[in-house]
Formats: sequence, C-alpha cells, structure tokens
Amino acid sequence: EAGVAQSPRYKIIEKRQSVAFWCNPISGHATLYWYQQILGQGPKLLIQFQNNGVVDDSQLPKDRFSAERLKGVDSTLKIQPAKLEDSAVYLCASSLAGSGSGYTFGSGTRLTVV
Amino acid sequence: GDSVTQMEGPVTLSEEAFLTINCTYTATGYPSLFWYVQYPGEGLQLLLKATKADDKGSNKGFEATYRKETTSFHLEKGSVQVSDSAVYFCASSDSPSGGNQFYFGTGTSLTVIP
Repeated sequence: EAGVAQSPRYKIIEKRQSVAFWCNPISGHATLYWYQQILGQGPKLLIQFQNNGVVDDSQLPKDRFSAERLKGVDSTLKIQPAKLEDSAVYLCASSLAGSGSGYTFGSGTRLTVV
Repeated sequence: GDSVTQMEGPVTLSEEAFLTINCTYTATGYPSLFWYVQYPGEGLQLLLKATKADDKGSNKGFEATYRKETTSFHLEKGSVQVSDSAVYFCASSDSPSGGNQFYFGTGTSLTVIP
C-alpha cells in the first residue's frame, strides 16, 4: 500500500514570497490533516479535512495560510506571504473517516524562509 | 486543554543500555496515548499505543504502560541499539485511533553510540 505522498521534500524561499505544498493521501482515506512541526517542537495541527470539507482550522493562521481539498483527495497548503517564523516541516497525514484508523503521516516538506 | 509533556533531550546512550523517556499528560477525559518515532529525513511512525488505563503498549522491544494515577506513559527499552537513534514523540488523542487530532510533546532526541 502506498503511503502519504508529499512534495516537494525541500523548499527555500525568501520572506514575503509565496509557497505551496501538495499532499496525496492514502487511497480511501477520507480524513486529511496538515501539521506544522517547528524545529525542536512537536507537530501542531493546522487544519483537518473530512472529504472536501474543513472539520477544524482553529489553529491555521488564516491571514497568510490557506488550504484546500477540492475533490476530497489531494490537498494543497499555501503560505502567502511567508515569514521567517514559518520555517518548519509541514506534515500531511490521512486516516479512514470516523474511526481514524490507519492514521499515517507523510515524510513532510521542509520549508526554510530566508 | 489537552497537552503532553515529555523529557527534554538530547539523550545519548551506549549500545545495550537501558532507556527511559518520561511522558506525562493532561486531559479533561480519558485519552488514548501514543509513542511515535521519527528517523532522520522520514515522517512520523507509530511505535506503540495504549487506549485505556493499565494497558501496556509494546513494539520492537519498546514498552509503555498507561498509568492513570500518575498521568504518565513512560517509554522504556531494556537494551537499545544504534538503529534506535531517532526522535521520539509522546502524543495523546481523544480517539483510540487518533481520529481527531494528536497533541504531541516536544520530542526527545536519542543517540545510541556503539
């Protein structure tokens, strides 16, 4: 079974630029999550989707971060404009709807803002 | 709200040494508890979990027991190997399968030297 795919693996941008990350969850997983992992900290949930609807985005900085999952499969997370403090690893995870079983993390995208 | 506190690192041990990484939690209800491991350049992998008090999770020689009286879930291994070098995260969730979101500790980096 293929895992959660994320791209790119690494990204370096200047502050005030825009960046987008892509996630392809495990086939059949209705629930998708984006986490932010700052160096030296544990991952923090940014947003949770159930199919193409948002379940929880209470910790998403909506002035600069946005995410979508238009067809209920792939998802993109965008930052516009980026700040230095956005430097982190962005992890995508997916699970089966309801039970949450099969919760699987992707390898993440490491973002460096300079 | 729910939170997890774990022992700060880094931890450096010689091969075959005994490992303990402390983890305590706070929660309004009765969470499920997890240990995740993150190897360099990889995503989070579930190591073990326990869903109710006195449960013991175990995997690959690692063990952790859900202690409700001390609100703890300490990770132990009797004899570590070089291949155990990684960052270990304690986490809680209000779902046995982490169906909503995880609350992660800050992570403990373990280095095992030959």
